[in-house]
Amino acid sequence: EAQVTQNPRYLITVTGKKLTVTCSQNMNHEYMSWYRQDPGLGLRQIYYSMNVEVTDKGDVPEGYKVSRKEKRNFPLILESPSPNQTSLYFCASSFTGINQPQHFGDGTRLSIL
Amino acid sequence: AQSVAQPEDQVNVAEGNPLTVKCTYSVSGNPYLFWYVQYPNRGLQFLLKYITGDNLVKGSYGFEAEFNKSQTSFHLKKPSALVSDSALYFCAVRDTNSNYQLIWGAGTKLIIKP
Repeated sequence: EAQVTQNPRYLITVTGKKLTVTCSQNMNHEYMSWYRQDPGLGLRQIYYSMNVEVTDKGDVPEGYKVSRKEKRNFPLILESPSPNQTSLYFCASSFTGINQPQHFGDGTRLSIL
Repeated sequence: AQSVAQPEDQVNVAEGNPLTVKCTYSVSGNPYLFWYVQYPNRGLQFLLKYITGDNLVKGSYGFEAEFNKSQTSFHLKKPSALVSDSALYFCAVRDTNSNYQLIWGAGTKLIIKP
């Protein structure tokens, strides 16, 4: 089954404790992206990757890191999480091209205490 | 700045009635527009897109959207609403100034009452 898989789905942690949210897709998509969803703000892009070893900042990259060492994986790293990073996070992937729709994972709900 | 607006936080419709979820946009150049739906505890799912061609675009689950260039709108419609259509709907447009990344509306919660 074609899918984008995020782990964990839920995480409660404390300020300053490094964490990684994994994202993997099995559709051979070149493009991958991370978003955060907050009530009333829609989706805001954190980072995106047009292909392996190519990453770019989105609208809200501060406090996050990413890497794209393999085509299928695009982990999101919070080196020193803070409470304002409490949010619902989505990973998405697609083929490149302006007409290509994105496929989303089911989300990761992070709570930073 | 390029943007997308969904002017209604929530839309309430009785089952069987037609529904419309509104979206307006502001971009330079040609607009590339998308609608997605989000069910509870799930990721977003693609519904339909407008790239070029016919102004009326048909998509998944019986939804369609009408592109209106003069009004810079891309409203989502369905002739007869189902209770199962209740969800959060997002409009998005490609940002022609920022490597064609998607700009997202804030979302509209659609509630279909039996």
